[in-house]
Amino acid sequence: GAVVSQHPSRVICKSGTSVKIECRSLDFQATTMFWYRQFPKKSLMLMATSNEGSKATYEQGVEKDKFLINHASLTLSTLTVTSAHPEDSSFYICSARLGGGSYNEQFFGPGTRLTVL
Amino acid sequence: AQSVAQPEDQVNVAEGNPLTVKCTYSVSGNPYLFWYVQYPNRGLQFLLKYITGDNLVKGSYGFEAEFNKSQTSFHLKKPSALVSDSALYFCAVRDPMFSGGYNKLIFGAGTRLAVHP
Repeated sequence: GAVVSQHPSRVICKSGTSVKIECRSLDFQATTMFWYRQFPKKSLMLMATSNEGSKATYEQGVEKDKFLINHASLTLSTLTVTSAHPEDSSFYICSARLGGGSYNEQFFGPGTRLTVL
Repeated sequence: AQSVAQPEDQVNVAEGNPLTVKCTYSVSGNPYLFWYVQYPNRGLQFLLKYITGDNLVKGSYGFEAEFNKSQTSFHLKKPSALVSDSALYFCAVRDPMFSGGYNKLIFGAGTRLAVHP
């Protein structure tokens, strides 16, 4: 299947700093990418949807100034957690959809574990 | 509104026995249905999907799922469980008639499958 990578896999940062997470579709072009947050033993919560070259669409309750998403190319999307705080600690997972059809499955990255001290 | 329910937090099964992980959904139109598996500290891996056609869908690793429109269910099954099948399983639905949100996937809460030797 299609491969999606994330970098870094783990990051520990101090409170108040910003952290950037990269998501890449390695062998396909992803018009649409998604960012999810997963709390321990919980389901995935969609944070935002991004289309290449346009502004991300954020889900209700997700602060767009806090979680900056850039989708500058068809193979790369970035999530920047600005002024991170301990409550931002979580497992962040990106996903890329192969093709534009809503019947296409999404391929998920391996996730990034963020710990804010 | 779209929603997915996985009524069981955990399913326990002995190795070699058949397994079923339940999923029910609610959408306004005809659903696109997906199953994903997640191993610890990893992203989600696609197992199978139902778009149209035969109600019984076969996927990766010997898994299959049956779409039942009258019961609005899409239960995941495997004839003979392996210890290595132990993981977190997510059912997801996409409503192709939903015009907002770039046809986003809605996930169930997840079911932890534990296969005992």
